[in-house]
Amino acid sequence: SQTIHQWPATLVQPVGSPLSLECTVEGTSNPNLYWYRQAAGRGLQLLFYSVGIGQISSEVPQNLSASRPQDRQFILSSKKLLLSDSGFYLCAWSPGEGQPQHFGDGTRLSIL
Amino acid sequence: EDQVTQSPEALRLQEGESSSLNCSYTVSGLRGLFWYRQDPGKGPEFLFTLYSAGEEKEKERLKATLTKKESFLHITAPKPEDSATYLCAVLFSGGYNKLIFGAGTRLAVHP
Repeated sequence: SQTIHQWPATLVQPVGSPLSLECTVEGTSNPNLYWYRQAAGRGLQLLFYSVGIGQISSEVPQNLSASRPQDRQFILSSKKLLLSDSGFYLCAWSPGEGQPQHFGDGTRLSIL
Repeated sequence: EDQVTQSPEALRLQEGESSSLNCSYTVSGLRGLFWYRQDPGKGPEFLFTLYSAGEEKEKERLKATLTKKESFLHITAPKPEDSATYLCAVLFSGGYNKLIFGAGTRLAVHP
């Protein structure tokens, strides 16, 4: 069966520091991969999605970036974090277009 | 503008008291509607996919239905373990595999 892993679960970072969040999927090949941010009491906001290695689409202009160095690895990065980057970050995968997306357990990011 | 609205924002039920959650959408060309359950501090857990008006799906005490403008998640005789936030999301023809999520309904079931 397929599983998705995200780490770390919790992260506290100072303003201006870099960021790297990692997500890996097991048990499938060539998945669609997604990064979302969830603000308290609000719906999930899609940040990036990828349909293949090196293929990244950005949905929201921001100081975050994403990369997909391997088929089942998706990384969310920032060179300099802002206070507004605080939130709950979720990675998801789906087998293909129109199929349900399956989520990891998220990373709670706090910026001080 | 493509939009998904869930109501109510919060719902408190007594154990065994059945109710329904609503998800209304305005999108151009629905390709699928998805229901998720989210527990505090966790990622959403997939429940159902509905693809066309009139379709229904069931799982234990949950039943999801779909019309051309909205979906309902019916909860029959809920138990305290059904307490969670329920999210709906819509896949529309204008966006490649991009879901638009509603803000969710927080359900609390008390014994």
